[in-house]
Amino acid sequence: GNSVTQMEGPVTLSEEAFLTINCTYTATGYPSLFWYVQYPGEGLQLLLKATKADDKGSNKGFEATYRKETTSFHLEKGSVQVSDSAVYFCALSDRTGNQFYFGTGTSLTVIP
Amino acid sequence: GAVVSQHPSWVICKSGTSVKIECRSLDFQATTMFWYRQFPKQSLMLMATSNEGSKATYEQGVEKDKFLINHASLTLSTLTVTSAHPEDSSFYICSAPSGRALSGANVLTFGAGSRLTVL
Repeated sequence: GNSVTQMEGPVTLSEEAFLTINCTYTATGYPSLFWYVQYPGEGLQLLLKATKADDKGSNKGFEATYRKETTSFHLEKGSVQVSDSAVYFCALSDRTGNQFYFGTGTSLTVIP
Repeated sequence: GAVVSQHPSWVICKSGTSVKIECRSLDFQATTMFWYRQFPKQSLMLMATSNEGSKATYEQGVEKDKFLINHASLTLSTLTVTSAHPEDSSFYICSAPSGRALSGANVLTFGAGSRLTVL
């Protein structure tokens, strides 16, 4: 079956530190992979996505590369800001787009 | 871009009353919408998949009679929490597939969520 596993939080970093949030998946076929971000008190927003192996999604300084050989989609940012404090969810969907699977979410707090 | 509007954003009600939450796709049609529940500091729990023109599909353990879902049109799905109790207090979020991007990925667009507090 399909599932997503992401690293547990919470993660606390100082401003300008390097961020990595690990995400691995199990899927049949060729899923699409996503990172969503949830700011305090808000709904989820799409951060970035990748649809096939070796694709790199990027947005707002965040990047993630679809690694089929390691079934991973780790989220990275070179220099985090206080405004990046949020909960990050890794997700996958099958090709039909009818099923979406989410990780448990990783809370990130960036301190000045 | 695609927008999903969810209303109300926060509702407080007395125990025993029913509350309706609306989820609208503003600039696209959605034959399917997803309803989630999120407890504090926890992940999303898929409650049900609402299908336009037919019955919703509920996840295991979700009470159909408690959480009534209606997908009346291609742009509107509603979740009604019937006879709400304090344990129903939660953050409810809807989402809809907002069409395939040029890359081919089917993207989910989320509503901003509705916070329900039952006294």
